[in-house]
Amino acid sequence: GESVGLHLPTLSVQEGDNSIINCAYSNSASDYFIWYKQESGKGPQFIIDIRSNMDKRQGQRVTVLLNKTVKHLSLQIAATQPGDSAVYFCAESGGTSYGKLTFGQGTILTVHP
Amino acid sequence: EAGVAQSPRYKIIEKRQSVAFWCNPISGHATLYWYQQILGQGPKLLIQFQNNGVVDDSQLPKDRFSAERLKGVDSTLKIQPAKLEDSAVYLCASSLQVSGANVLTFGAGSRLTVL
Repeated sequence: GESVGLHLPTLSVQEGDNSIINCAYSNSASDYFIWYKQESGKGPQFIIDIRSNMDKRQGQRVTVLLNKTVKHLSLQIAATQPGDSAVYFCAESGGTSYGKLTFGQGTILTVHP
Repeated sequence: EAGVAQSPRYKIIEKRQSVAFWCNPISGHATLYWYQQILGQGPKLLIQFQNNGVVDDSQLPKDRFSAERLKGVDSTLKIQPAKLEDSAVYLCASSLQVSGANVLTFGAGSRLTVL
């Protein structure tokens, strides 16, 4: 559901588990999607991106899945580590946005040793 | 390569005072962005520059916020007068492209507290 202010969605996992973070978007014209990781006191850091002509893209321990039919994006992190603890944001661009990214609310991931 | 540099990292001011933030993007990046990130929320775009021209400032509160990128490299974001609701982290980002698949590289941000 939608979260406002400090009530970000949270995901708590054990070290070694796989994590799935979800994101819904509303702009049908969006054709590029990107996931960022933000640790406390730092700026967002690029994780992985995907264009709208793809359904899946894999990186090192991360996979992004795109379902354009239901406007849904997910980030899968394999063998989650304590260093993965952070806030994760999805962002989108496309249409007439001239490359600017529009960010979602964010999900707090906590990994317990 | 060097990242996006921002200063100051922290600033505390009283309402109605003014403040300025500085950003030095990655060398060669033509596009520069200022985002505002309020605690618990995702970053929100304030202004986008391509070289020294403004591409998008539709969400910049122009009665109190101003930004410039005079020589197409460094940029300054100013708030005058500040309000309590301006308390946030101000993130600068840069990218090579102006459109399309466009990875933005962010600085560490400038945290503003307005009392």
